[in-house]
Amino acid sequence: DAGVIQSPRHEVTEMGQEVTLRCKPISGHNSLFWYRQTMMRGLELLIYFNNNVPIDDSGMPEDRFSAKMPNASFSTLKIQPSEPRDSAVYFCASSLLGARGLAGGSSSYEQYFGPGTRLTVT
Amino acid sequence: GQNIDQPTEMTATEGAIVQINCTYQTSGFNGLFWYQQHAGEAPTFLSYNVLDGLEEKGRFSSFLSRSKGYSYLLLKELQMKDSASYLCAVKTGGFKTIFGAGTRLFVKA
Repeated sequence: DAGVIQSPRHEVTEMGQEVTLRCKPISGHNSLFWYRQTMMRGLELLIYFNNNVPIDDSGMPEDRFSAKMPNASFSTLKIQPSEPRDSAVYFCASSLLGARGLAGGSSSYEQYFGPGTRLTVT
Repeated sequence: GQNIDQPTEMTATEGAIVQINCTYQTSGFNGLFWYQQHAGEAPTFLSYNVLDGLEEKGRFSSFLSRSKGYSYLLLKELQMKDSASYLCAVKTGGFKTIFGAGTRLFVKA
């Protein structure tokens, strides 16, 4: 299995531009998570999906952030317009969770993280 | 509110044993994870505790006391490659997992 795939790995953009980050979860996983990591705030959960449905987006910082999961194998996180304070590493993670978020299968409760996208907004 | 506390940094010597502590106060508890994250890389899963007690996995062990809201990760026979950040994370219920800020471990020769 290729693991969680994220693209691009690095993104440098100017303030005000739209940024789209992409994620392909591990095949068969039904839960997907978007995180942001900075030195100051650590790893923050932005939003998560279960069976392609957004369950909790309370971690999304502002309306400038939006996420979609049109099918089981693809998700996007969009920032429009981007600002310098959005500079961070954005991780996507996937997991296999049953109803109510309980573990499904053996050793499937942990989250598998993608390599991350390092975003720099100038 | 949700609160997970762990030391910011620790230093230990190659071959020694180090214990990284984590205390948590969360609304709901459905298990505690430890992840390892090397600089510039993604977090990777180390251990999961949902019942009180010690779980051993090779050189790494993890302990949980739910009544005290406390866990620790024990690393034995430290190697230089163990230099990394160690993240304590609590599954609060449902699908949500909250991460601590991480403990940066420096292993010196």
